[in-house]
Amino acid sequence: DGGITQSPKYLFRKEGQNVTLSCEQNLNHDAMYWYRQDPGQGLRLIYYSQIVNDFQKGDIAEGYSVSREKKESFPLTVTSAQKNPTAFYLCASSPYPWTEAFFGQGTRLTVV
Amino acid sequence: QKEVEQNSGPLSVPEGAIASLNCTYSDRVSQSFFWYRQYSGKSPELIMSIYSNGDKEDGRFTAQLNKASQYVSLLIRDSQPSDSATYLCAVTGGATNKLIFGTGTLLAVQP
Repeated sequence: DGGITQSPKYLFRKEGQNVTLSCEQNLNHDAMYWYRQDPGQGLRLIYYSQIVNDFQKGDIAEGYSVSREKKESFPLTVTSAQKNPTAFYLCASSPYPWTEAFFGQGTRLTVV
Repeated sequence: QKEVEQNSGPLSVPEGAIASLNCTYSDRVSQSFFWYRQYSGKSPELIMSIYSNGDKEDGRFTAQLNKASQYVSLLIRDSQPSDSATYLCAVTGGATNKLIFGTGTLLAVQP
């Protein structure tokens, strides 16, 4: 089955800890994205990548880092510098940059 | 002014009625428009794309685009309780050339 897989579904982070969210797609899409969703708010863009080995900051990149070493994979690290990381994190991909985007099932991150 | 604006709702309609969801956008050069459905606790699911002025129909869903008025809408005919969800409008192709989402409209279909 083609699709986008995010893992884990739930993640708990202690104060001062870095955590990495996984995102894998087998749709052969060039572009991949990370969005953050907070209750009652829209999706906000964290990072995006239009091609392998290239990525750009979105609107709220502070405290986050990414890599795009393979076309299929776009992991997101939430660093200790992100002061309010509790949110629903959504990975998406599209065939070409900024065309129809398809989402993974999301990772819900909670700080404990 | 927000780049993509939607009424947060909730929009309550009886089962079998037509639900009308609206979205306005600020960037006049936007080119592509999408509607996503998001059930509570789940990720968004793409349900409609529209690129040119006019109507586009897919089953019970009709997307309508008016670029002159910078307005895009989604009509859901014969609404079902299973349509109860938040509907997100997304726009791309503007000056920033990024996919920008509205905050969504919560639709509640009453049995």
